[in-house]
Amino acid sequence: DAGVIQSPRHEVTEMGQEVTLRCKPISGHNSLFWYRQTMMRGLELLIYFNNNVPIDDSGMPEDRFSAKMPNASFSTLKIQPSEPRDSAVYFCASSRSSGRARGGELFFGEGSRLTVL
Amino acid sequence: QKEVEQNSGPLSVPEGAIASLNCTYSDRGSQSFFWYRQYSGKSPELIMFIYSNGDKEDGRFTAQLNKASQYVSLLIRDSQPSDSATYLCAVNSMGGSQGNLIFGKGTKLSVKP
Repeated sequence: DAGVIQSPRHEVTEMGQEVTLRCKPISGHNSLFWYRQTMMRGLELLIYFNNNVPIDDSGMPEDRFSAKMPNASFSTLKIQPSEPRDSAVYFCASSRSSGRARGGELFFGEGSRLTVL
Repeated sequence: QKEVEQNSGPLSVPEGAIASLNCTYSDRGSQSFFWYRQYSGKSPELIMFIYSNGDKEDGRFTAQLNKASQYVSLLIRDSQPSDSATYLCAVNSMGGSQGNLIFGKGTKLSVKP
């Protein structure tokens, strides 16, 4: 089975540009998460979808960030306009509530490393 | 603000020794506890989960939970160089949505041959 697929793997952009990160979760998983990881702040939850519906977006830093999940097999995280402090690795993860760890087993994609100059 | 605290390390142990990794959490209502391993440049992967007070063993790994002290630990017996990684403690709080995990910043473990 294919794992969680993220694109792009690396993105270098200039401040003020729009950035779109994409994610395809594992088929059959009903929950999708966007996390951001930095050395200073560790792994932070940005937003969480359950059955394509946003459940908790309290971690989204500000209005520059938005996320969508138009169907069960695709999600995007958009940053507009981007700023240097947005530089981080962005992980998408999926899980299924009926799994062995009561939904706590998150399967992570390989991440998208974003650098904003 | 729900928090999960870990010693950032690095924790260095010789090959064959026991590595002990610790984690505390602030939300007393937390119900599920997880340990993820993250190799450098890779994504986190689940290695252990525990829900009840006490110990849970899986191969060389033992997770320990003490809800009264709000403390969870991971023991790695017979440590191998391949265990060198960052270990992330994660907690699913009662008030959070299922699967909504709060991660600690991780402890970096180095196992020396």
